[in-house]
Amino acid sequence: QKEVEQNSGPLSVPEGAIASLNCTYSDRGSQSFFWYRQYSGKSPELIMSIYSNGDKEDGRFTAQLNKASQYVSLLIRDSQPSDSATYLCAVNPLGTGTASKLTFGTGTRLQVTL
Amino acid sequence: GAVVSQHPSWVICKSGTSVKIECRSLDFQATTMFWYRQFPKQSLMLMATSNEGSKATYEQGVEKDKFLINHASLTLSTLTVTSAHPEDSSFYICSASYGSTQYFGPGTRLTVL
Repeated sequence: QKEVEQNSGPLSVPEGAIASLNCTYSDRGSQSFFWYRQYSGKSPELIMSIYSNGDKEDGRFTAQLNKASQYVSLLIRDSQPSDSATYLCAVNPLGTGTASKLTFGTGTRLQVTL
Repeated sequence: GAVVSQHPSWVICKSGTSVKIECRSLDFQATTMFWYRQFPKQSLMLMATSNEGSKATYEQGVEKDKFLINHASLTLSTLTVTSAHPEDSSFYICSASYGSTQYFGPGTRLTVL
């Protein structure tokens, strides 16, 4: 069974600090990786996608992928209270051009404290 | 870009009635759309995969005769909850695929009295 594992948290970080969210996956053939943010009572919102080993930066967010270790992470710099949400890691077994079911982790709840 | 809408955003209905939820990709065409359900404080649960012009593929344990899915165009998929009961009360969320990326709609909160 394909699995995506995340620490459920809550992960508590002070405002202005770096939040580090981690995710491991079991299907070594996975090709596409996503981070979604979900506020309580709302639907998931895409934060980042990453397909190749290494880092990908977008504003305060950096996604890191290591396929050999089957590990993907999300760093949030200068964390703000508005970043407090549940972060979902999702994995697609197929490449960038192909729609497929996503396997989701259970999510990590992030709390940014004042 | 990549905006997905859902209508209605919330609905209250009586037990035994049917409710239709629409999911639209506003600025892209989506051959594949997905329907999820989420109960409070629980994870997203995939209900079915909807492909334009073909029958939906339902996940194990999801009753296809109760949750009717129609994907008649590249920008519209509908989910009809037939003969709804209180246990069907949940947050229903659709997503539309652009390549391998899924973009989620804002969700529809269904309450069955």
